[in-house]
Parts: sequence; C-alpha cells; structure tokens
Amino acid sequence: EAQVTQNPRYLITVTGKKLTVTCSQNMNHEYMSWYRQDPGLGLRQIYYSMNVEVTDKGDVPEGYKVSRKEKRNFPLILESPSPNQTSLYFCASSTGGAQPQHFGDGTRLSIL
Amino acid sequence: QKEVEQNSGPLSVPEGAIASLNCTYSDRVSQSFFWYRQYSGKSPELIMSIYSNGDKEDGRFTAQLNKASQYVSLLIRDSQPSDSATYLCAVNMKGNNRLAFGKGNQVVVIP
Repeated sequence: EAQVTQNPRYLITVTGKKLTVTCSQNMNHEYMSWYRQDPGLGLRQIYYSMNVEVTDKGDVPEGYKVSRKEKRNFPLILESPSPNQTSLYFCASSTGGAQPQHFGDGTRLSIL
Repeated sequence: QKEVEQNSGPLSVPEGAIASLNCTYSDRVSQSFFWYRQYSGKSPELIMSIYSNGDKEDGRFTAQLNKASQYVSLLIRDSQPSDSATYLCAVNMKGNNRLAFGKGNQVVVIP
C-alpha cells in the first residue's frame, strides 16, 4: 500500500529537549515536504526537498532542521523545541513540487 | 496579497444542495491547482486536480479554473453529511518548487 508514515503520532515533551519526527514514503517520490497546521493559520510549509541531499526552506523554517540522506526518509528535527512549536505536523511526498502531495497521518506535538 | 486566499467563512448547506467554494491566488504563472478535503483531526486528502482553464468534473465534484482572473472554485453537488469537512485550496508557487495552501473553508451539510 502506497503511504507516507510519520512517527510518533503524538508527543508531549518539554522545552529544550531535542526531538526528531520521522517520515518515510514507499512511493519512490523525489519530492518531500513538512508542514505545520495551526488554527486560523492553515497549512504552512516548513522545509521541502526536491531530491536526496537537496533541501530548501519553506515559509516557517525557523527552529527546525531537516535532512534527506535517503530518498524515502525525510526527518524533521527540533534541536531546542519551544512552546510556540506546539502544532500538528504533516509530512507529504509527491513526484514533484507542483504535483499532488500525499500526506502522512500527522504528528500532534505539544511542547510544555 | 496572500499567495492563496479562501475568504469565505463556514458554509452551511442543506443535504442535497450545492456547496460552492472559491479560492484566489497571487502567482500569475501558477499551473497546478488542487482541492483537498480534511476531516477534523485527519490529514488532507486530494479530491480534485485541475491544470487547464474551464471545468473538470469528477462524480459530485466540479473544479473550475480561470487563470485570467486567478481563481479556482469547487462545486459539490448533491451535498451529503459525509461532505462535512474543511476544504483546502492549493496552488503551485515559485517555479513549481512548492505548493501554497489556503486556510481552508469549513463546510457543514445539514441533514
């Protein structure tokens, strides 16, 4: 089954404790992306990757890091999480930046 | 101007009626346009893609694109309670490197 898998689905943690949200896709897609979704603000892109070792900033990259060492994986790293990063996060993949994106089930992150 | 705007507030429609959603975008060279449906607490799900001016129909859904006026719309015919969700408009930006999303429109279908 074609899918984008994110882990964990839910996480409650404290300020400053580094965390990683993993994302993996099995569709051999070149393009992967991370979004956060907040009430009243909609979906905002954090980072995207056009291919292995090619990443670029989206709309709200501050406080986040990503890496794309393998085509299937695109982890999101919060080096020093803060409460304003409490949000619902989605990973997505597609064949290209202008193509329909397939979303993972989401990760609800709470930073206390 | 925001990249993608969906200005309408929550839309309540009776079951069986037509729901109409509108979206405007800022980038004149955008070529790809999508409508996603998102149920509460779930991930966005693609329901329509449109790339050329005019109408595209898929079941009870019709997407309409007007590049000259920079708007794209979605019609839901014979609305069902299962159509109650938030609908997100997405448009490609910056030379096809990314999609920009509108904030979404909530649709409530009243039985």
